[in-house]
Amino acid sequence: KAGVTQTPRYLIKTRGQQVTLSCSPISGHRSVSWYQQTPGQGLQFLFEYFSETQRNKGNFPGRFSGRQFSNSRSEMNVSTLELGDSALYLCASSHPGLAGGGAYNEQFFGPGTRLTVL
Amino acid sequence: GQQVMQIPQYQHVQEGEDFTTYCNSSTTLSNIQWYKQRPGGHPVFLIQLVKSGEVKKQKRLTFQFGEAKKNSSLHITATQTTDVGTYFCAAFRSGNTPLVFGKGTRLSVIA
Repeated sequence: KAGVTQTPRYLIKTRGQQVTLSCSPISGHRSVSWYQQTPGQGLQFLFEYFSETQRNKGNFPGRFSGRQFSNSRSEMNVSTLELGDSALYLCASSHPGLAGGGAYNEQFFGPGTRLTVL
Repeated sequence: GQQVMQIPQYQHVQEGEDFTTYCNSSTTLSNIQWYKQRPGGHPVFLIQLVKSGEVKKQKRLTFQFGEAKKNSSLHITATQTTDVGTYFCAAFRSGNTPLVFGKGTRLSVIA
């Protein structure tokens, strides 16, 4: 199976612009989560989508939004970019819910999109 | 919201020394997962612990889940340069809550 793919891999934007990042999950995975990774804050949860519905949302401003399409592909959008939005944005896919025996399904991460805001 | 605290933030060891990272929560965890991220890479799933007091081993790596399901540890015996990276613990509090990651422990191994 092909892994999680993210496009673009690198992006440079200026303050005030907006950006759209794309994530294609592993075939058959219907849950997609987005994370922001910065050196000081580690991996911070942005949102999770399942069957085109946002199931969970992290503590980020409304400038951060996302959506999921019927084929499970997901996009996230950041409007009015700020310098502090510079980060690695990671997408992860999984089978939602329980794996059995009380275990949850593992997250499969994509390579990430490195966003630099100047 | 739920927080998962991970210590230490950094660890530098000589090749062959042991390494341990700890993950602590103030609330009971449903389960805990461990991930490794190599420099320049993305997190990769290592293992999941579900049961109170559970211990799992993967070659030189030993994972433990506390009896109260509020803490976990990852121990690497006789580190090698291939162990370099950041180790994250991650936990679900319950079925519909998102996976919460600790801030990770960055391991450097000096040959």
